[in-house]
Amino acid sequence: QVQLVQSGTEVEKPGASVKVSCKASGYTFTDYYIHWVRQAPGQGLEWMGWINPDSGGTNYAQNFQGRVTMTRDTSITTVYMELSSLRYEDTALYYCARDLDFPRNWFDPWGQGTLVTVSS
Amino acid sequence: SYELTQPPSVSVSPGQTATITCSGDKLGDKYVCWYQQRPGQSPVLVIFQDTKRPSGIPERFSGSSSGNTATLTISGTQAMDEADYFCQAWDSSTVVFGGGTKLTVL
Repeated sequence: QVQLVQSGTEVEKPGASVKVSCKASGYTFTDYYIHWVRQAPGQGLEWMGWINPDSGGTNYAQNFQGRVTMTRDTSITTVYMELSSLRYEDTALYYCARDLDFPRNWFDPWGQGTLVTVSS
Repeated sequence: SYELTQPPSVSVSPGQTATITCSGDKLGDKYVCWYQQRPGQSPVLVIFQDTKRPSGIPERFSGSSSGNTATLTISGTQAMDEADYFCQAWDSSTVVFGGGTKLTVL
């Protein structure tokens, strides 16, 4: 079945960077865009951007431009999201999600989420 | 920037119909989808393209959209439907989520 499996919990200091992975299986990796969405504790969903696993092309939300980098490794069907210059307010669950029908942006399925905690 | 507005909470009795709204400027001109997020779980797509249900989603979930408002309707609400619900659309190459609605079944 279609599955997105993310890397484990991360704890980072302010100013550091974090890199989260998302391994896809059960479908042709290069056929579907992958988005990243985060959710701060007790809060709503915030879109971060997408990557085209085929071309490597990206589009980042304005709030994250200059701090986020999305990449992929087609040999292991994995996409990565790196967030730099971490702040306390970056503490959140980070999700990857497959786009069913780009650019209509319907996300299914979602990964299990990766908790990133920014703490000194 | 584009904004989607949802009521923070909706309550419904078991077996009754729950209605969750999502409002945005000319939202009826855009495609809307809805996600269900149960506590401690990842979001699940329940409605896409305004009205369509993914396979595996119960028929009691339905959607509509017109004017400035999209609506998620849950008929015959069950206790397992208690969750947060988020609407989503896209505008100018940007994905936008509503703030979410907590559905309480009591």
